[in-house]
Amino acid sequence: AQKVTQAQTEISVVEKEDVTLDCVYETRDTTYYLFWYKQPPSGELVFLIRRNSFDEQNEISGRYSWNFQKSTSSFNFTITASQVVDSAVYFCALSEAKAAGNKLTFGGGTRVLVKP
Amino acid sequence: DTGVSQNPRHKITKRGQNVTFRCDPISEHNRLYWYRQTLGQGPEFLTYFQNEAQLEKSRLLSDRFSAERPKGSFSTLEIQRTEQGDSAMYLCASSLGGVYGTEAFFGQGTRLTVV
Repeated sequence: AQKVTQAQTEISVVEKEDVTLDCVYETRDTTYYLFWYKQPPSGELVFLIRRNSFDEQNEISGRYSWNFQKSTSSFNFTITASQVVDSAVYFCALSEAKAAGNKLTFGGGTRVLVKP
Repeated sequence: DTGVSQNPRHKITKRGQNVTFRCDPISEHNRLYWYRQTLGQGPEFLTYFQNEAQLEKSRLLSDRFSAERPKGSFSTLEIQRTEQGDSAMYLCASSLGGVYGTEAFFGQGTRLTVV
């Protein structure tokens, strides 16, 4: 069965420090998508990135970057030069091609606290 | 379109009462999902609709839970005879169907407290 593990429950940094969030996944499917979502205190999950299982290119979007490594089943997320507004809970999620309706399996989340 | 809308945002109910939540998805999205999130945990899948058809239900969805999506538009999630263990955030999401891997857009959730 599919599983997503985010071993870090909480990370606290001082503004401008870099922070890396770990995500390890398990799946028997060869075709799948990985996602990162941000959940600010308001509660709404905000989509950040999607990566399919056939594309291992790393991606950078502004201060955000993602490192996908199939060999270690990891999809890590780095925030560079963190800001107070980055404080939120971040979730990694998996969607298998064989799963009905593209439903998502989420990890437990990592709470990031950026102090001024 | 302003995104996925959920009502109410908060609901406090006494144990044993019935509650109903509403979700209005993004208008062109034909897939609609319900997830449940307890404190400190990630969201867990409950059920999903393709248009008006409910195509999958999680084992988490006991007989006290029922979801509908009449006419393939808004959806309701009803919990009968609420229990304290039902206290959680109920999240609704929608996405385009037929395109594998498309991202789901989430509403702000309904936080249920059963006292």
